[in-house]
Amino acid sequence: ELKVEQNPLFLSMQEGKNYTIYCNYSTTSDRLYWYRQDPGKSLESLFVLLSNGAVKQEGRLMASLDTKARLSTLHITAAVHDLSATYFCAVDMRSNYQLIWGAGTKLIIKP
Amino acid sequence: ETGVTQTPRHLVMGMTNKKSLKCEQHLGHNAMYWYKQSAKKPLELMFVYSLEERVENNSVPSRFSPECPNSSHLFLHLHTLQPEDSALYLCASSQDLSLWGYGYTFGSGTRLTVV
Repeated sequence: ELKVEQNPLFLSMQEGKNYTIYCNYSTTSDRLYWYRQDPGKSLESLFVLLSNGAVKQEGRLMASLDTKARLSTLHITAAVHDLSATYFCAVDMRSNYQLIWGAGTKLIIKP
Repeated sequence: ETGVTQTPRHLVMGMTNKKSLKCEQHLGHNAMYWYKQSAKKPLELMFVYSLEERVENNSVPSRFSPECPNSSHLFLHLHTLQPEDSALYLCASSQDLSLWGYGYTFGSGTRLTVV
């Protein structure tokens, strides 16, 4: 059974700091997605990582995928308050159409 | 109108009521999904439809009944729900079941409270 673990589950940080959210998964996959969810809102697609070594960047967020280590990271550079949200990673098994989701990381960025 | 639209945004219902959630997508996608999001739990896939045909029912209780009359519309019919069914219900669509390179587009969700 594929398991996806995110850590930390909760993160409170100051503006201007850097931090990394980790997404570990338990079986082989080379497709991983990152989503953002604001309170009471839907999930917004952030990054799609489709191969080992893939790196995507958008503004202050950068995501990477290491399929050998079964690890994806979401790095936040010089955090700003607007990045406060819950971030989810989801692994695509490819053998079926389901995404297996992490529990989410709630990120609070304080001014 | 574009994207994935869900109605209503909020719903409060008694355990003996019957209600329906509606989802509509204007993206030309061929696959649609219902997800349940409860506090402190990972997203749970409930139902999957591809070209109006149900392809997955993840052990969902029969008090939840999906309907997909065409590739643009998806309903979730609710009856005799329990308080533990209170959650955010998310509709999503994708180009097709392969999800290749795109993943899902989610609707804004229906916040359901069962009293």
